[in-house]
Amino acid sequence: EAAVTQSPRNKVTVTGGNVTLSCRQTNSHNYMYWYRQDTGHGLRLIHYSYGAGNLQIGDVPDGYKATRTTQEDFFLLLELASPSQTSLYFCASSDRDSKNTLYFGAGTRLSVL
Amino acid sequence: GDSVTQTEGLVTLTEGLPVMLNCTYQTAYSTFLFWYVQHLNEAPKLLLKSSTDNKRTEHQGFHATLHKSSSSFHLQKSSAQLSDSALYYCAPMPNYNVLYFGSGTKLTVEP
Repeated sequence: EAAVTQSPRNKVTVTGGNVTLSCRQTNSHNYMYWYRQDTGHGLRLIHYSYGAGNLQIGDVPDGYKATRTTQEDFFLLLELASPSQTSLYFCASSDRDSKNTLYFGAGTRLSVL
Repeated sequence: GDSVTQTEGLVTLTEGLPVMLNCTYQTAYSTFLFWYVQHLNEAPKLLLKSSTDNKRTEHQGFHATLHKSSSSFHLQKSSAQLSDSALYYCAPMPNYNVLYFGSGTKLTVEP
């Protein structure tokens, strides 16, 4: 079973704060993703990457930066957090060897006060 | 997003009745179609997927058939169980490894 680990699991910050969400996968997958999940909107793609140093923009990238430092590690950065970014964030990984199946981490619940 | 349309909102069923959750997508997004399921306080996980037109795909009692002529990939089950209560996402994959999820359908199965 593929393994994707997110940290922290919960985070509270204030408006204007600086937050980094971490994701590590140990599956040797090339693709990694950041999604946010909100009631009524489902899962929306923020950023994704197909390898170390690569970054692709998803559907809702505004206010987010991401960096893929290694094949295993993918970070999501909120440099000036706003209340609208209060959400549940999921990281996932996949590649053709997984037959395009996404394996999700357990999620990070972020609250911006 | 706009690439996929699911049965909206909340579906409530009595245990033992059939399940049908609708999914239609834009034609350009028909390379692969997926259904993911998310139980309460868990991460989404794959339920089933297909890329073959008019072929029935089954897993864990659920089934779906990709119909490219009608751009549909509806999820069905003959008899709902309490444990089927969850959030269900239809997700097309227009290009390799990029999924666009629908807004999700919350299924509640009651005794």
